[in-house]
Amino acid sequence: QKEVEQNSGPLSVPEGAIASLNCTYSDRGSQSFFWYRQYSGKSPELIMSIYSNGDKEDGRFTAQLNKASQYVSLLIRDSQPSDSATYLCAVNMGGGSQGNLIFGKGTKLSVKP
Amino acid sequence: GAGVSQSPSNKVTEKGKDVELRCDPISGHTALYWYRQSLGQGLEFLIYFQGNSAPDKSGLPSDRFSAERTGGSVSTLTIQRTQQEDSAVYLCASSSVSRDGTQYFGPGTRLLVL
Repeated sequence: QKEVEQNSGPLSVPEGAIASLNCTYSDRGSQSFFWYRQYSGKSPELIMSIYSNGDKEDGRFTAQLNKASQYVSLLIRDSQPSDSATYLCAVNMGGGSQGNLIFGKGTKLSVKP
Repeated sequence: GAGVSQSPSNKVTEKGKDVELRCDPISGHTALYWYRQSLGQGLEFLIYFQGNSAPDKSGLPSDRFSAERTGGSVSTLTIQRTQQEDSAVYLCASSSVSRDGTQYFGPGTRLLVL
């Protein structure tokens, strides 16, 4: 069974703090990892993709990947109320860049002003 | 450029009726995916089309579900003899052939089966 696990939350952080979102996956051969943000009633939108071990930064967002531990995380610095959403971790377990994604159930983030 | 479009945005139907959901992918994207998201749940993979290859139907929950993709572009997901448990948001995504493989989602079709 190919699985992606996330804490469902809710994760509540004050405005300006760092929000840390975590995800583990079951298939060691996975190559492509994605973080999507989903506002209530909306479709998922891509935040970050990561393929290599280590950190990848884009603005206030940093994705971290550790393939040995089968662990991927997303850090959001200087959190804003507009970051309040559900964050979905998605993994391509097909060993390549194409094919369906396996999604976690998402972590709901609430940023309090 | 235009993103993934889906129609209708909302569909209410009676149990036992057939429904058709449409997806128009981003121009030039060869891969097209259908997912389903039930209330409070994660996304569930349904079917995947890549170019002219046979589709990956491994996620379809029953033989009441089928999909086709005409001319390598527009796709239609058909649900026959709908059941109340089919109520969900049906999301379509597309991606280009690249190392990235990032999938871009449409706005979804909200299906309610009464």
